[in-house]
Amino acid sequence: RKEVEQDPGPFNVPEGATVAFNCTYSNSASQSFFWYRQDCRKEPKLLMSVYSSGNEDGRFTAQLNRASQYISLLIRDSKLSDSATYLCVVNGGGGQNFVFGPGTRLSVLP
Amino acid sequence: SAVISQKPSRDICQRGTSLTIQCQVDSQVTMMFWYRQQPGQSLTLIATANQGSEATYESGFVIDKFPISRPNLTFSTLTVSNMSPEDSSIYLCSVVVAGGPSKTQYFGPGTRLLVL
Repeated sequence: RKEVEQDPGPFNVPEGATVAFNCTYSNSASQSFFWYRQDCRKEPKLLMSVYSSGNEDGRFTAQLNRASQYISLLIRDSKLSDSATYLCVVNGGGGQNFVFGPGTRLSVLP
Repeated sequence: SAVISQKPSRDICQRGTSLTIQCQVDSQVTMMFWYRQQPGQSLTLIATANQGSEATYESGFVIDKFPISRPNLTFSTLTVSNMSPEDSSIYLCSVVVAGGPSKTQYFGPGTRLLVL
């Protein structure tokens, strides 16, 4: 089983739709969780950290379920500019290595 | 946060040659990494660049192929040696910055390498 797994997509949604991505991780000792966004031919950029209590940033909501070892990202009222690959990233317990998921491609269509 | 620059931004090289990629950070950081991202794939960690000691390589990557230097806390180089077309990829420098309750990882813009 891979350390971090994501549905690769692509998710094709119309503008204004709500879309959700899940990510599962295998290391129960993982301590930090993130969602990164990567545009085509660009480097990954931090979208948001994921806290145990869940957190929201505008149209984006991230949640963590430690018992089931998954994190989620919800995008409301999606925009054309949200089209990108969304990478789930997990930092192992005590380690400095960040493990990246394969990414989920999102295309928001007009 | 951290601002990272890489040089060159892209290159086209002949097989059998070597290319050295430079990474410069605008602040002193302890943790610095080199990743590879092949077309359509996610990121794969090549090695951790340790200041003042040899880099720590991940499984499948060796020092002879990917020698790394880290002379100080703001700079590192990655060399891709004896290149083959399979080395065509994006090479990304990354740093981890501690702040608040957790650490955050930042990436350089990447070096796009095409080996003919």
